[in-house]
Amino acid sequence: GESVGLHLPTLSVQEGDNSIINCAYSNSASDYFIWYKQESGKGPQFIIDIRSNMDKRQGQRVTVLLNKTVKHLSLQIAATQPGDSAVYFCASYAPGDYKLSFGAGTTVTVRA
Amino acid sequence: KAGVTQTPRYLIKTRGQQVTLSCSPISGHRSVSWYQQTPGQGLQFLFEYFSETQRNKGNFPGRFSGRQFSNSRSEMNVSTLELGDSALYLCASSPGGTRQETQYFGPGTRLLVL
Repeated sequence: GESVGLHLPTLSVQEGDNSIINCAYSNSASDYFIWYKQESGKGPQFIIDIRSNMDKRQGQRVTVLLNKTVKHLSLQIAATQPGDSAVYFCASYAPGDYKLSFGAGTTVTVRA
Repeated sequence: KAGVTQTPRYLIKTRGQQVTLSCSPISGHRSVSWYQQTPGQGLQFLFEYFSETQRNKGNFPGRFSGRQFSNSRSEMNVSTLELGDSALYLCASSPGGTRQETQYFGPGTRLLVL
């Protein structure tokens, strides 16, 4: 079945530095990917998405890269701020499904 | 537009009881999905409703059920509560027309079973 996972459970980053969060997925037929941010006590918040016909997509301070060859996607956060401290999840749709499969999450801590 | 709302935000129940959680989707969204989030299992899909019909179901026992009303509001019910049902229950909505849609989450209902 579909498996979506992140490489590292935690990431500590200095304020102002760039952050890179990685995610690997198992199903090569997955065709839509979403990054979510979840702050303590809140539900997951949409950050950015990318479809399988794209390699890169940019948002405000965030960039998602998709490498279908190795089934890997990453989220890059530029100039990381204290407000970026949260748990980040990648999620994907399995082919034919209307449900999202989530990875385990990476906890990002921003050091002042 | 108002976001996804969930009520109640917190619940404490005892084993054997049942509970009903409510979700109001973003206006115009017709698909509502439910997820259970626990520290050990992460985010797991429960079920998804579209136009009052269950379209997808996850691997949860029959004690977990749901429904959707004509105004797209949804409820989920857990009967005969067990300690392991303690979790954050999240509801997400999307327009519902296609598969490749962003799901927008509510704040969740934190359920504690004693």
